[in-house]
Amino acid sequence: GENVEQHPSTLSVQEGDSAVIKCTYSDSASNYFPWYKQELGKGPQLIIDIRSNVGEKKDQRIAVTLNKTAKHFSLHITETQPEDSAVYFCAASGSSGDKLTFGTGTRLAVRP
Amino acid sequence: KAGVTQTPRYLIKTRGQQVTLSCSPISGHRSVSWYQQTPGQGLQFLFEYFSETQRNKGNFPGRFSGRQFSNSRSEMNVSTLELGDSALYLCASRPLAGTTDTQYFGPGTRLTVL
Repeated sequence: GENVEQHPSTLSVQEGDSAVIKCTYSDSASNYFPWYKQELGKGPQLIIDIRSNVGEKKDQRIAVTLNKTAKHFSLHITETQPEDSAVYFCAASGSSGDKLTFGTGTRLAVRP
Repeated sequence: KAGVTQTPRYLIKTRGQQVTLSCSPISGHRSVSWYQQTPGQGLQFLFEYFSETQRNKGNFPGRFSGRQFSNSRSEMNVSTLELGDSALYLCASRPLAGTTDTQYFGPGTRLTVL
């Protein structure tokens, strides 16, 4: 089955700096890659996703890049703010969007 | 629209007991998936229901089961509870199965097994 590895497990940045989280996946058939943000006491919330026919996608301060050849994808957050502090998960699935396989999570702390 | 709701939010059980958790999807959503979240294993897929039928199942023992009702509400049941079943159980809904539509997660049910 699919295996998703995520690094780093913890990340501390100064407010205003950029943060980068990287994930690799094992199943070459995977072609849907969402990113979720989970705050304390809440369920994961989708922040951005990318499909395999796209190499990069941006939404304001958030961007995701995908390299299908190398089987890795990354989340980039620019101009970080304290409210970006949370746990971020990458995930992968096939074209049906079923059975999301999640990475182990990155705890991001943004220092004011 | 109201989000995904899960009840109860917290539950304490003892080993050997069984438990039923409930999930109400976003109105109009017909697909409901369940995930288990633990510090050690992370987020793991349990199963997905669509139109009252189980479409997919993760690698969990038969003690974990679920069902979906005609109004798309779903329940999951864990029988003969073990200490290792302590976890946050999350459900997620999306309009249809078999699409990459966003899965919206509920806040989860925190199950503690003593």
